[in-house]
Amino acid sequence: DAGVIQSPRHEVTEMGQEVTLRCKPISGHDYLFWYRQTMMRGLELLIYFNNNVPIDDSGMPEDRFSAKMPNASFSTLKIQPSEPRDSAVYFCASSSGTQQFFGPGTRLTVL
Amino acid sequence: GQSLEQPSEVTAVEGAIVQINCTYQTSGFYGLSWYQQHDGGAPTFLSYNGLDGLEETGRFSSFLSRSDSYGYLLLQELQMKDSASYFCAPMNRDDKIIFGKGTRLHILP
Repeated sequence: DAGVIQSPRHEVTEMGQEVTLRCKPISGHDYLFWYRQTMMRGLELLIYFNNNVPIDDSGMPEDRFSAKMPNASFSTLKIQPSEPRDSAVYFCASSSGTQQFFGPGTRLTVL
Repeated sequence: GQSLEQPSEVTAVEGAIVQINCTYQTSGFYGLSWYQQHDGGAPTFLSYNGLDGLEETGRFSSFLSRSDSYGYLLLQELQMKDSASYFCAPMNRDDKIIFGKGTRLHILP
């Protein structure tokens, strides 16, 4: 198995632009999580899905952030419009039990 | 509410033993996981405690006391490659995990 796949690995964009991060979970996993990591705030849960349905989005910072999971093998996290304070590493993880498997992350820089 | 406390940094010597403590508060607590993250990498799963007591996996052991909302990760025979951040991660019944900032472990030769 290839593990959790995220794209792009790096993204540099300008303030105000739309950013879309993509994730392919491990086949057979029924949970998918989006996290954001910064030095200041650590690793924060943004939103998670169970069987493609959003369960808890209380960690989504504001309306500029949205996430979708149209099917069991794909999810997106969108930021529109992006701001410099959104610069962080964004991780996607999937699980079918107590152990979460993380993707390599997307390093986002908003100028 | 929910809270999570673990030391921000710990320093130990190669070959020694180190213990990273964790106290937590979360509604609907289910179990406690530990994750390791090397610089520039992604978190990787180390262990999970669903019941009170000690779980051992090679050089790493993890302990949980539900009544004290307390756990620890014990690393033995430290190696330089163990230099990383370690996250205590309580899970609730909705499979939601809290991570926080983790503990950065520095190992001296």
